[in-house]
Amino acid sequence: EIVMTQSPATLSVSPGERATLSCRASQSVSSNLAWYQQKPGQAPRLLIYGASTRATGIPARFSGSGSGTEFTLTISSLQSEDFAVYYCQQYNNWPVLTFGGGTKVEIK
Amino acid sequence: QVQLQESGPGLVKPSQTLSLTCTVSGGSISSGGYYWSWIRQHPGKGLEWIGYIYYSGSTYYNPSLKSRVTISVDTSKNQFSLKLSSVTAADTAVYYCARDRAGDYYDSSGSSIYYYYGMDVWGQGTTVTVSS
Repeated sequence: EIVMTQSPATLSVSPGERATLSCRASQSVSSNLAWYQQKPGQAPRLLIYGASTRATGIPARFSGSGSGTEFTLTISSLQSEDFAVYYCQQYNNWPVLTFGGGTKVEIK
Repeated sequence: QVQLQESGPGLVKPSQTLSLTCTVSGGSISSGGYYWSWIRQHPGKGLEWIGYIYYSGSTYYNPSLKSRVTISVDTSKNQFSLKLSSVTAADTAVYYCARDRAGDYYDSSGSSIYYYYGMDVWGQGTTVTVSS
């Protein structure tokens, strides 16, 4: 089983600042990684797939990078609507999918 | 646009079977290029993929739940369903259905190439509590 570990668990950031979230895989997942955003009481929303391809309608301030075992989601200038929990998901082991434990981005 | 809606009992007794249905609207569940997933989220916790189904009936399950999970599809009703047997309090969670953009194609050399573009449509989720 591929284990996905996200860090930090909580990230405190001021509006307008950059946020950098990390996701590490227990073994290489190539570029087979997606990122999701979840706000309280809502379903997750797809942000990124293929490690760096933005999903339809996702603002350019969201960017993904990395390959192998180390991945990063960067939010270039945090807006109020970006405070949420973010999850990474690997699909290199498709059809089996696994999610990371999440990073909560909160207002500093 | 495609929308998903979960339905089913919000309360299930221990040892019984949890049954949920996801109704797809705005598109056909029989469209190629999509798998249909169930995911759950324990209170205050992260996401756990349960399994998915293709419209043809092919299924894939999380190995940790495989012995208790059955996912089925009813293309005539544009629905897919989840059954989880022998539930305990540990199965109390919000259950989501979602659409996965995924499939395979043959390249110029005849090799099968799979692709996965993520879970791009989600239902709103339904809370299931396991309690007597």
